[in-house]
Parts: sequence; C-alpha cells; structure tokens
Amino acid sequence: SQTIHQWPATLVQPVGSPLSLECTVEGTSNPNLYWYRQAAGRGLQLLFYSVGIGQISSEVPQNLSASRPQDRQFILSSKKLLLSDSGFYLCAWATSGSDTQYFGPGTRLTVL
Amino acid sequence: AQSVTQLDSHVSVSEGTPVLLRCNYSSSYSPSLFWYVQHPNKGLQLLLKYTSAATLVKGINGFEAEFKKSETSFHLTKPSAHMSDAAEYFCVVSDNYGQNFVFGPGTRLSVLP
Repeated sequence: SQTIHQWPATLVQPVGSPLSLECTVEGTSNPNLYWYRQAAGRGLQLLFYSVGIGQISSEVPQNLSASRPQDRQFILSSKKLLLSDSGFYLCAWATSGSDTQYFGPGTRLTVL
Repeated sequence: AQSVTQLDSHVSVSEGTPVLLRCNYSSSYSPSLFWYVQHPNKGLQLLLKYTSAATLVKGINGFEAEFKKSETSFHLTKPSAHMSDAAEYFCVVSDNYGQNFVFGPGTRLSVLP
C-alpha cells in the first residue's frame, strides 16, 4: 500500500531564516506530487505541483520554491521566510493520470 | 472554470442526529467530485469520490453523498453523528485530469453531546 510522509511535523522559525520541508511517498512510482498551504481562515492554496523528476509548476508567485530531486521526493524551500509564510503545509500525491489526491499529515510552520 | 460553494461555514448537530453538509459546484466538464475530512492539525482524509458510475456514493465512516446534476449539488450526509465526526469537511471538484483540483472553503462540523 502507498504511504506519504512529511517532516518535520512542526517547525518554529524566525523571520528571514531558510526553510526546507520534505515529503516522500512510498509504494508507488512516478506519482504526481503537490504542495498546498492552509493559512488560518483561508482554505487550501495550491503552491506547486510536479508530474516528474525536475518538473515543477508554480501556481502562486512568492518567496517559496519546490524541487523534486527523486521520483518520490518533493521538497519545499525558502531562502528567507516571511511572517506571512506561517501556516499548515500539506503534501499530496496522485497516480499519474488519476485525479484522486492523497494527503500527508502536514507540517505546522510558525514564523516569528 | 470550476468552482465550489459550501453553503455553511459551520454546522452544529447533536450526537445521534443526522448530518447534512451542503456543496454546490460549477464545472464546464463532467466533473469528479470528492469529500475530504480534516481533523485538527491533521492531513486531509478522502471520505468518498463521485466519478459518474453511480449518483449515490458511499464512503467511509458511514458517510454518503448524492450527485444531482440538475441541482449541481453533491451534499454529504450521515444518518447518525458521532463525536468523532467533529472536524472540517472539504468538497472538491476536479476536471478528471488532476490538473484542476478546486477546493471549497470548508465546513466545520461540531457534534454536541
């Protein structure tokens, strides 16, 4: 069966510090991968999606970036965090060609 | 363009009474429709999915949803609420290709003892 992992589970970072959140999927090959942000009272916002290694599509221009160095690994990064980057970050995967997404447990990021 | 409206931001029911969470959608395609549940500080869990095979879809934990094309609705129901059902529920519409997955704003369900 497929599983999706995210770490860390929680993170508190100062403004201006870098960020790296990791997402890995097990039990499937060549999945589509997604990063979402859920800010308080604002619902889910798609940040990035990837259909393959090195292929990243950005949905929202911001100071975040994403990379996919391996087939089942998806990384969300920032060089300098802003207060507005605080939120709950969710990674999701879907089988290529399918529209059903499965979500990871999330990372709670607080920027102070 | 696709869109999703969840008519209630908050629904409160007593334990053992029925649950109704409303969702209306707009889509240019023949869409896929989903309901997800999110407990506090957790990821989203898929409850059920509609893909045109049957208009009444049964999901996990006793939930079901009925697709009504004429009303462009996909309301989520459960005959008897349990305390563990208290969570945020999201209705989602997709264009079947996974490139356009649109979330509703969510409905928070409270279950009172």
